[in-house]
Amino acid sequence: GQQVMQIPQYQHVQEGEDFTTYCNSSTTLSNIQWYKQRPGGHPVFLIQLVKSGEVKKQKRLTFQFGEAKKNSSLHITATQTTDVGTYFCAGGPGGGADGLTFGKGTHLIIQP
Amino acid sequence: GAGVSQSPRYKVAKRGQDVALRCDPISGHVSLFWYQQALGQGPEFLTYFQNEAQLDKSGLPSDRFFAERPEGSVSTLKIQRTQQEDSAVYLCASSLALATGMTEWENTIYFGEGSWLTVV
Repeated sequence: GQQVMQIPQYQHVQEGEDFTTYCNSSTTLSNIQWYKQRPGGHPVFLIQLVKSGEVKKQKRLTFQFGEAKKNSSLHITATQTTDVGTYFCAGGPGGGADGLTFGKGTHLIIQP
Repeated sequence: GAGVSQSPRYKVAKRGQDVALRCDPISGHVSLFWYQQALGQGPEFLTYFQNEAQLDKSGLPSDRFFAERPEGSVSTLKIQRTQQEDSAVYLCASSLALATGMTEWENTIYFGEGSWLTVV
Protein backbone atom coordinates (compact mmCIF):
# COMPACT_ATOMS: atom_id res chain seq x y z
CA GLY A 1 0.00 0.00 0.00
CA GLN A 2 0.85 3.63 -0.12
CA GLN A 3 3.60 4.80 2.22
CA VAL A 4 4.38 8.36 3.23
CA MET A 5 7.74 9.02 4.82
CA GLN A 6 8.86 12.14 6.62
CA ILE A 7 12.32 13.29 7.60
CA PRO A 8 13.75 14.22 9.95
CA GLN A 9 11.86 12.57 12.81
CA TYR A 10 13.14 15.17 15.26
CA GLN A 11 14.62 18.61 14.68
CA HIS A 12 16.17 20.82 17.34
CA VAL A 13 16.71 24.45 16.34
CA GLN A 14 17.60 27.65 18.10
CA GLU A 15 14.86 30.23 18.09
CA GLY A 16 15.27 32.35 14.98
CA GLU A 17 16.78 29.57 12.87
CA ASP A 18 15.02 28.11 9.86
CA PHE A 19 13.41 24.67 9.78
CA THR A 20 12.50 22.30 6.96
CA THR A 21 10.67 18.98 6.95
CA TYR A 22 10.45 16.70 3.93
CA CYS A 23 7.74 14.31 2.88
CA ASN A 24 8.09 11.51 0.31
CA SER A 25 5.46 9.17 -1.04
CA SER A 26 5.95 5.76 -2.60
CA THR A 27 3.20 6.58 -5.10
CA THR A 28 2.02 9.63 -7.02
CA LEU A 29 -0.34 11.74 -4.94
CA SER A 30 -3.44 13.59 -6.06
CA ASN A 31 -3.02 16.06 -3.21
CA ILE A 32 -0.99 16.57 -0.09
CA GLN A 33 -2.08 18.18 3.15
CA TRP A 34 -0.03 19.48 6.04
CA TYR A 35 -1.09 19.44 9.68
CA LYS A 36 0.38 20.75 12.92
CA GLN A 37 -0.14 19.03 16.25
CA ARG A 38 0.84 20.73 19.48
CA PRO A 39 1.90 18.52 22.41
CA GLY A 40 -1.23 16.98 23.90
CA GLY A 41 -3.40 18.41 21.15
CA HIS A 42 -4.97 17.19 17.96
CA PRO A 43 -3.84 17.68 14.34
CA VAL A 44 -4.86 21.03 12.89
CA PHE A 45 -5.07 21.55 9.15
CA LEU A 46 -2.53 23.98 7.72
CA ILE A 47 -2.77 23.76 3.94
CA GLN A 48 -3.46 21.59 0.91
CA LEU A 49 -1.40 21.39 -2.28
CA VAL A 50 -2.90 19.95 -5.44
CA LYS A 51 -0.92 21.06 -8.48
CA SER A 52 2.45 19.79 -9.65
CA GLY A 53 5.20 22.22 -8.58
CA GLU A 54 2.79 24.26 -6.47
CA VAL A 55 4.21 26.64 -3.88
CA LYS A 56 2.09 28.25 -1.18
CA LYS A 57 3.06 30.64 1.58
CA GLN A 58 1.50 31.39 4.93
CA LYS A 59 3.48 34.16 6.64
CA ARG A 60 6.75 32.44 7.65
CA LEU A 61 5.67 29.02 6.31
CA THR A 62 6.39 27.93 2.72
CA PHE A 63 4.90 24.73 1.33
CA GLN A 64 6.03 23.04 -1.88
CA PHE A 65 4.64 20.14 -3.90
CA GLY A 66 7.12 18.37 -6.16
CA GLU A 67 6.88 18.27 -9.93
CA ALA A 68 6.25 14.53 -9.88
CA LYS A 69 3.67 14.92 -7.08
CA LYS A 70 5.53 12.40 -4.95
CA ASN A 71 7.24 14.73 -2.51
CA SER A 72 6.59 17.87 -0.55
CA SER A 73 8.30 20.16 1.91
CA LEU A 74 7.44 22.62 4.63
CA HIS A 75 9.91 25.39 5.41
CA ILE A 76 9.60 27.74 8.38
CA THR A 77 11.67 30.91 8.35
CA ALA A 78 12.96 32.39 11.60
CA THR A 79 11.29 29.93 13.97
CA GLN A 80 9.48 31.15 17.05
CA THR A 81 8.60 29.26 20.23
CA THR A 82 5.00 29.12 19.06
CA ASP A 83 6.11 26.90 16.16
CA VAL A 84 6.80 24.02 18.55
CA GLY A 85 4.88 20.88 17.69
CA THR A 86 4.76 17.98 15.30
CA TYR A 87 4.24 18.63 11.61
CA PHE A 88 2.53 15.91 9.60
CA CYS A 89 2.11 15.55 5.89
CA ALA A 90 -0.77 13.46 4.60
CA GLY A 91 -1.15 12.30 1.04
CA GLY A 92 -4.14 11.06 -0.92
CA PRO A 93 -4.14 8.82 -3.95
CA GLY A 94 -7.66 9.82 -4.79
CA GLY A 95 -9.22 13.22 -4.85
CA GLY A 96 -10.84 14.67 -1.81
CA ALA A 97 -10.36 13.90 1.82
CA ASP A 98 -10.73 10.14 1.70
CA GLY A 99 -7.81 7.78 1.73
CA LEU A 100 -5.28 10.10 3.35
CA THR A 101 -2.10 8.42 4.55
CA PHE A 102 -0.19 10.31 7.22
CA GLY A 103 3.55 10.41 7.64
CA LYS A 104 5.00 9.79 11.10
CA GLY A 105 5.63 13.50 11.53
CA THR A 106 8.57 15.74 12.32
CA HIS A 107 8.84 16.87 15.92
CA LEU A 108 10.12 20.44 16.06
CA ILE A 109 11.84 21.42 19.29
CA ILE A 110 12.91 25.05 19.69
CA GLN A 111 15.54 26.19 22.14
CA PRO A 112 15.18 29.81 23.21
CA GLY B 1 -21.53 22.28 17.46
CA ALA B 2 -18.59 24.39 16.38
CA GLY B 3 -16.15 21.53 16.11
CA VAL B 4 -15.81 17.76 16.18
CA SER B 5 -16.73 16.48 19.61
CA GLN B 6 -15.49 13.20 21.04
CA SER B 7 -16.33 11.36 24.22
CA PRO B 8 -15.06 10.14 26.52
CA ARG B 9 -11.88 12.21 26.43
CA TYR B 10 -10.12 9.68 28.64
CA LYS B 11 -10.90 6.01 29.21
CA VAL B 12 -9.09 3.44 31.27
CA ALA B 13 -10.26 -0.07 30.49
CA LYS B 14 -9.28 -3.39 31.98
CA ARG B 15 -7.96 -5.90 29.49
CA GLY B 16 -10.87 -7.83 28.04
CA GLN B 17 -13.38 -5.07 28.62
CA ASP B 18 -15.45 -3.64 25.76
CA VAL B 19 -15.31 0.11 25.06
CA ALA B 20 -17.36 2.48 22.93
CA LEU B 21 -16.03 5.79 21.71
CA ARG B 22 -18.38 8.43 20.38
CA CYS B 23 -17.84 11.07 17.72
CA ASP B 24 -20.13 13.98 16.94
CA PRO B 25 -18.90 15.55 13.68
CA ILE B 26 -19.39 19.07 12.48
CA SER B 27 -22.99 19.52 11.40
CA GLY B 28 -23.48 18.88 7.70
CA HIS B 29 -20.16 17.15 7.17
CA VAL B 30 -20.52 14.23 4.80
CA SER B 31 -17.25 12.46 5.46
CA LEU B 32 -16.21 11.00 8.80
CA PHE B 33 -12.95 9.30 9.61
CA TRP B 34 -11.51 7.39 12.52
CA TYR B 35 -7.76 7.36 13.07
CA GLN B 36 -5.61 5.67 15.70
CA GLN B 37 -2.57 7.54 16.95
CA ALA B 38 0.03 5.81 19.10
CA LEU B 39 2.38 7.91 21.20
CA GLY B 40 4.92 9.70 19.03
CA GLN B 41 3.44 8.40 15.79
CA GLY B 42 1.28 9.82 13.03
CA PRO B 43 -2.44 9.09 12.80
CA GLU B 44 -3.15 5.69 11.26
CA PHE B 45 -6.32 5.39 9.21
CA LEU B 46 -8.96 3.05 10.59
CA THR B 47 -12.18 3.63 8.68
CA TYR B 48 -14.13 6.12 6.58
CA PHE B 49 -17.83 6.91 6.24
CA GLN B 50 -19.62 8.88 3.61
CA ASN B 51 -22.92 9.72 5.30
CA GLU B 52 -24.08 6.40 6.79
CA ALA B 53 -22.14 4.23 4.38
CA GLN B 54 -18.88 2.75 5.56
CA LEU B 55 -16.85 2.97 2.38
CA ASP B 56 -13.49 1.86 3.71
CA LYS B 57 -12.69 -0.18 6.79
CA SER B 58 -9.37 -1.49 5.61
CA GLY B 59 -7.49 0.09 8.52
CA LEU B 60 -9.38 -1.66 11.31
CA PRO B 61 -6.69 -3.82 12.96
CA SER B 62 -8.88 -6.78 13.83
CA ASP B 63 -12.45 -7.99 13.97
CA ARG B 64 -12.58 -6.72 17.54
CA PHE B 65 -12.95 -3.22 16.07
CA PHE B 66 -16.30 -2.11 14.75
CA ALA B 67 -17.55 1.30 13.66
CA GLU B 68 -20.97 2.56 12.74
CA ARG B 69 -22.69 5.76 11.71
CA PRO B 70 -26.31 4.67 11.40
CA GLU B 71 -27.94 8.03 10.68
CA GLY B 72 -25.08 9.68 8.88
CA SER B 73 -24.10 11.98 11.73
CA VAL B 74 -22.87 10.61 15.08
CA SER B 75 -20.45 7.71 14.86
CA THR B 76 -19.36 5.11 17.39
CA LEU B 77 -16.14 3.12 17.38
CA LYS B 78 -16.44 -0.04 19.43
CA ILE B 79 -13.55 -2.15 20.58
CA GLN B 80 -14.37 -5.56 21.99
CA ARG B 81 -12.18 -7.50 24.41
CA THR B 82 -9.61 -4.72 24.62
CA GLN B 83 -5.93 -5.61 24.60
CA GLN B 84 -2.97 -3.58 25.81
CA GLU B 85 -1.88 -2.89 22.25
CA ASP B 86 -5.17 -1.04 21.74
CA SER B 87 -3.91 1.74 24.02
CA ALA B 88 -3.75 4.86 21.86
CA VAL B 89 -5.54 8.08 21.08
CA TYR B 90 -8.52 7.53 18.82
CA LEU B 91 -9.11 10.56 16.65
CA CYS B 92 -12.32 11.28 14.85
CA ALA B 93 -12.33 13.73 11.97
CA SER B 94 -14.93 15.08 9.61
CA SER B 95 -14.95 16.82 6.28
CA LEU B 96 -17.51 18.48 4.09
CA ALA B 97 -15.96 16.85 1.05
CA LEU B 98 -17.12 14.12 -1.19
CA ALA B 99 -14.51 12.00 -2.90
CA THR B 100 -13.25 14.07 -5.80
CA GLY B 101 -12.98 17.50 -7.29
CA MET B 102 -13.31 19.46 -4.09
CA THR B 103 -11.78 22.81 -3.31
CA GLU B 104 -9.46 23.23 -0.37
CA TRP B 105 -12.02 24.47 2.11
CA GLU B 106 -14.40 21.63 1.29
CA ASN B 107 -11.57 19.17 1.53
CA THR B 108 -10.25 20.20 4.93
CA ILE B 109 -10.35 17.54 7.61
CA TYR B 110 -11.25 18.79 11.08
CA PHE B 111 -10.06 16.61 13.92
CA GLY B 112 -11.65 16.19 17.32
CA GLU B 113 -9.65 16.33 20.55
CA GLY B 114 -9.41 12.55 20.59
CA SER B 115 -10.32 9.81 23.03
CA TRP B 116 -7.29 8.66 25.00
CA LEU B 117 -7.67 4.93 25.70
CA THR B 118 -5.44 3.15 28.17
CA VAL B 119 -5.87 -0.60 28.58
CA VAL B 120 -4.46 -1.99 31.81
